[in-house]
Amino acid sequence: DAGITQSPRHKVTETGTPVTLRCHQTENHRYMYWYRQDPGHGLRLIHYSYGVKDTDKGEVSDGYSVSRSKTEDFLLTLESATSSQTSVYFCAISESMAGGRGQPQHFGDGTRLSIL
Amino acid sequence: SQKIEQNSEALNIQEGKTATLTCNYTNYSPAYLQWYRQDPGRGPVFLLLIRENEKEKRKERLKVTFDTTLKQSLFHITASQPADSATYLCAPLGFQKLVFGTGTRLLVSP
Repeated sequence: DAGITQSPRHKVTETGTPVTLRCHQTENHRYMYWYRQDPGHGLRLIHYSYGVKDTDKGEVSDGYSVSRSKTEDFLLTLESATSSQTSVYFCAISESMAGGRGQPQHFGDGTRLSIL
Repeated sequence: SQKIEQNSEALNIQEGKTATLTCNYTNYSPAYLQWYRQDPGRGPVFLLLIRENEKEKRKERLKVTFDTTLKQSLFHITASQPADSATYLCAPLGFQKLVFGTGTRLLVSP
């Protein structure tokens, strides 16, 4: 299994509080991604990173920010959590960006976030 | 907009039979398509990739087809086993990003 660790694995918090999720990889892959997964929706891309300090928005980026200060760590922050952000969040890594050689993405086991 | 359709209803089959899952896409022409397996409480795991110029790809008991005219990929598991029970996601390549379907849950009973 690819070395991807997400923390925390579960979190319950209140509306309006800031939340930071962490993704840590030991594979030295350049690309890292944050997705959310909700019933009735496929995995939806929030933000991704193509290198240290290089990030870009995905399709559902409103209300989220990211940072990548080291190759191995990619942080997702909800500045002021809302109930609509209750979801399961997955981090993924890949050697190349989709559109390249079709390299697979490797996923962590997710963070289940509940916002009350 | 790009749209992926996978059967949202669970597919129930008996052990030993062949399971066939469908992935339809509209409004774009992906250069390749990936299939993933997801178990409850776990992240997706990559299974197979098929490119637009490949009609069929096999890996052990798995077979994937890719029909660019029908805009459809079929995922087959032959001689299915209870351990194959999981949700299977298709992910065609969008504009430089994978676009994931909602997945189809497969239940293989002994």
